[in-house]
Amino acid sequence: DADVTQTPRNRITKTGKRIMLECSQTKGHDRMYWYRQDPGLGLRLIYYSFDVKDINKGEISDGYSVSRQAQAKFSLSLESAIPNQTALYFCATSDPPWQGRNEQFFGPGTRLTVL
Amino acid sequence: GDSVTQMEGPVTLSEEAFLTINCTYTATGYPSLFWYVQYPGEGLQLLLKATKADDKGSNKGFEATYRKETTSFHLEKGSVQVSDSAVYFCALSPYTNNQGGKLIFGQGTELSVKP
Repeated sequence: DADVTQTPRNRITKTGKRIMLECSQTKGHDRMYWYRQDPGLGLRLIYYSFDVKDINKGEISDGYSVSRQAQAKFSLSLESAIPNQTALYFCATSDPPWQGRNEQFFGPGTRLTVL
Repeated sequence: GDSVTQMEGPVTLSEEAFLTINCTYTATGYPSLFWYVQYPGEGLQLLLKATKADDKGSNKGFEATYRKETTSFHLEKGSVQVSDSAVYFCALSPYTNNQGGKLIFGQGTELSVKP
């Protein structure tokens, strides 16, 4: 089984709808991240969480919210989706860098289309 | 703020050709540097990393050297294969207590290797 899973894998929705993207991990990591990928822009950080009680905004948090339901679960919500939120969304997890590996592990991505 | 710049793609090579993908960075202090690879339809996976100046990361025939004097981390491979076709991302992780583990990505470079 995959260590980092995302649901759904693909979603088409309409402008104004509320959407939730879910991420689960079995790696036992405290840190979780949400990124969006757009062609020519690489990956940009939306939100990150260093533990269940710690949520932080990333580079592009406007229009998004998150919930860290447990160590293993981190959800991303679009309260009112708009077309420029059409993108590929990735969840990632990691240990703190001082624990040695300093590597993020990515899920397979969710392709979201907002019409 | 911290940033990463990669050479633009797409890069198209014939099998067994030499590959260089340029990456330069701007950061305060001593970041860790990474190359991630994204195969078609998949999430990102770590290819190699370097955590201090003059370190060389290597994996699967790819290598990159952390050059602090030129703020660069260029990716090289002596002989590419069709299976190396993917998008390659250079990234840095600022190593400060409150930011350690976050990744800042370049825009990605698509590599296509023809038989």
